[in-house]
Amino acid sequence: EVQLVESGGGLVQPGGSRRLSCSASGFTFNSNWMHWVRRVPGKGLLWVSHISSDGSITYYADSVKGRFTISRDNAMNTLYLQMNSLRAEDTAVYYCTRDAPGPTNHLDHWGQGTLVTVSS
Amino acid sequence: DIVMTQSPDSLAVSLGERATINCKSSQNVLNSYNNKNYLAWYQLKPGQPPKALIYWASTRESGVPDRFSGSGSGTYFTLTISTLQAEDVAVYYCQQYHSLPYTFGQGTQLEIK
Repeated sequence: EVQLVESGGGLVQPGGSRRLSCSASGFTFNSNWMHWVRRVPGKGLLWVSHISSDGSITYYADSVKGRFTISRDNAMNTLYLQMNSLRAEDTAVYYCTRDAPGPTNHLDHWGQGTLVTVSS
Repeated sequence: DIVMTQSPDSLAVSLGERATINCKSSQNVLNSYNNKNYLAWYQLKPGQPPKALIYWASTRESGVPDRFSGSGSGTYFTLTISTLQAEDVAVYYCQQYHSLPYTFGQGTQLEIK
């Protein structure tokens, strides 16, 4: 069974940093592109970033470019999101999610999410 | 960026009746090489992560009840729930994965009338 478990959320002050982790199991982690998607309380879903299966290709939403860094450790089956210069508008539940296997690129499995609150 | 616009924002339907949610993309999400629409639908219930329902606009994910169906092509898409069940109360999102950045619609809240 595919499992994605996020951790690292919590309360952080504006301008601060936080690193999120996502532990993956139940599939061959190094075969899948991985993504971070966030949900702002009371609002919708926003795609944040993705990383290729070998970690060589990354892409970011404009709203986080230059502040967030996605990475992965395939030996540890873990995905990361380093978040710097955090702003109030980054407050959200952050989900780890994967590309479905095969030619489609939709997001077929999601973690439960971890809440990041940016506030003084 | 491709803008995804859903309608309506909220919808109340009686149990056993049909529910229809629309999604319009600002650009074509049809891939001309494989003739696939890069459009997915997700269901989000309180306290749960999003669940993929439909991909390639009309292909159901494994385990998704057949009362859920997707249709459309190019820039206009529809999610239909043929006979609404109580457990279908949720927010539904469309998403394009044709071009980066991937983008979601604003969501449609589905409730029981």
